[in-house]
Amino acid sequence: GQNIDQPTEMTATEGAIVQINCTYQTSGFNGLFWYQQHAGEAPTFLSYNVLDGLEEKGRFSSFLSRSKGYSYLLLKELQMKDSASYLCAVRPTGGGNKLTFGTGTQLKVEL
Amino acid sequence: DAMVIQNPRYQVTQFGKPVTLSCSQTLNHNVMYWYQQKSSQAPKLLFHYYDKDFNNEADTPDNFQSRRPNTSFCFLDIRSPGLGDAAMYLCATSRDARASGRGETQYFGPGTRLLVL
Repeated sequence: GQNIDQPTEMTATEGAIVQINCTYQTSGFNGLFWYQQHAGEAPTFLSYNVLDGLEEKGRFSSFLSRSKGYSYLLLKELQMKDSASYLCAVRPTGGGNKLTFGTGTQLKVEL
Repeated sequence: DAMVIQNPRYQVTQFGKPVTLSCSQTLNHNVMYWYQQKSSQAPKLLFHYYDKDFNNEADTPDNFQSRRPNTSFCFLDIRSPGLGDAAMYLCATSRDARASGRGETQYFGPGTRLLVL
């Protein structure tokens, strides 16, 4: 079976750093994606990890530990526009192109 | 420059009245997906196509059908919408990860929000 866990909600302050965690238990592993989804809009791609370690892309970084079934998304210098849902999605082995999505973490950035 | 386009953005239908949602893409990706997403839930894959090869998820109700007449277009038909089918319907595309051997990013359209009265 596939199981992906993320915190439901988080709140952070503008200008701060926030870390959103994701743990997964899937039938094999062949990559992990992070997507951002603003209310009422489509998910947009943020990052992809397939090997252990940190991938940095501007204010956003994503980390993966395959042995622990764990990833996090790190957002620096938070802005109000970063208020959104952040979805963790795993591509299991043998799943072809399919992704299994978590329910998302709703991040609220406050002044 | 929209790459995955969905029409309409909002659709209101009556209980039991068939409805068709459309998706088109300019990315020339050979894989297209339809997801259903309800409020505060994860996107749920309904089916996907590798070119014209249709792949249905085991738990997708028979009420949901799909057509892909060519590479660019894909349609979702809901034959008899029920109140429980009210949701956001997302179309996505990607290259074929089986061919590249790497995780291929899925690009989503803006979604169609379906309301069933």
